[in-house]
Order: sequence, then structure tokens, then C-alpha cells
Amino acid sequence: GAVVSQHPSRVICKSGTSVKIECRSLDFQATTMFWYRQFPKKSLMLMATSNEGSKATYEQGVEKDKFLINHASLTLSTLTVTSAHPEDSSFYICSAQGGQETQYFGPGTRLLVL
Amino acid sequence: GNSVTQMEGPVTLSEEAFLTINCTYTATGYPSLFWYVQYPGEGLQLLLKATKADDKGSNKGFEATYRKETTSFHLEKGSVQVSDSAVYFCALSNNAGNMLTFGGGTRLMVKP
Repeated sequence: GAVVSQHPSRVICKSGTSVKIECRSLDFQATTMFWYRQFPKKSLMLMATSNEGSKATYEQGVEKDKFLINHASLTLSTLTVTSAHPEDSSFYICSAQGGQETQYFGPGTRLLVL
Repeated sequence: GNSVTQMEGPVTLSEEAFLTINCTYTATGYPSLFWYVQYPGEGLQLLLKATKADDKGSNKGFEATYRKETTSFHLEKGSVQVSDSAVYFCALSNNAGNMLTFGGGTRLMVKP
């Protein structure tokens, strides 16, 4: 149980385009989803926290207009990187949390912006 | 604020060696403590957790004991395998925020 999927697993896009990443909880309802960014050989940096049906809460320094988060249902959250630039290239990981404390992580999405 | 400190890697061991990865934390209240493992190219997987003092989390031969007196949650395994090669993250969570604070990660390399 407690499986979280992400799609796509890898994406390459041109600078200036937008990219949408999906995060799904497959076998439980996720009241809260988290989006992280991980730089090479570094730890995870929390970008934002989203609760189903409400606006996401962004961490300090994360541009909410650039990283659009939607949590429209209890099993789906999306992260859209708008007008992507090469510095946005990174490994993006989501996690989902149901009623209990434990966060379950997706496999990650590697974004490369050319 | 909350913080987690892990020993820097990489840690390189031979197969069947004993593993310890140190983790200490600073937190208000009584946090829950976690170890996550990240295999190459993948996301994080929960390895084990402990929710109160003196609890021992265990999974796949790994163990960690919640030591409140030393604010530590060291990860141990008696005999590592090549397949254990990965990055290990120590983390804590306060119930109030439900947010995880991660350590910097420790890369483990196990050689045959």
C-alpha cells in the first residue's frame, strides 16, 4: 500500500515553455501533498505544501507564479513550471500524506530545460 | 527551528561490514524521526521510523533507536550488501506542521 506515482519520469523541454508534472496517490487519499526540489548530491528542499481544494503554501524564496500547484482531488496534485529556464533543471519529487503522519514519496521527475 | 545533522559521506564499506550512519537533531517538542533511502535515479522510500523516545524502528535489517537524551537516531545494519548502496536521509517531523526536515543525506557505497 501507500504508492505514489509521478508522471512523467523524465522530461526535456525548450527554454520558455511550460511543463506539467503530475503526482498521484494510487491507493490512498492524500489530504496533503508536498513538492520538493533536489539538486545534484544535495538534500531535498521543500517548495510548497498543498491541501486538497485550497491554495498551496509556498516556502520562502519559491516563486508561486513560476511554480503553479494545483491539488484538485484527494489523489492528484500537479506542479506546472511556467516559462522554464535552464536553471529550473532539477529533480522534482512529490510526497503524499493521508490521515497519518508518514509521507510517501513519488519516484521523482527529472526536468532538463535546454 | 528544527534541524537534522548527518555524517557526511560517502561511506564506503565492503560487503558484510557493519554500518553506522550518525544522525542528530534539534527540535521543539517531541518529533517523530525517520530514515529514508534513495536508490540511484529514484525518489525516496521510507526505510523506518520511530515516534517516541526509546522506540526502535527496524526494516530490512536496518535499525535505529530514538534517543531523546542524546537527540540522536543513528542508523545501523549488521551486515551490508551491495544492494544497500544508496543515499540515506535522516528526517524529523513535528506533528504541528506535518512537515519533514531532512538532513543532508549520506551516500553509502558497498563494494563486493
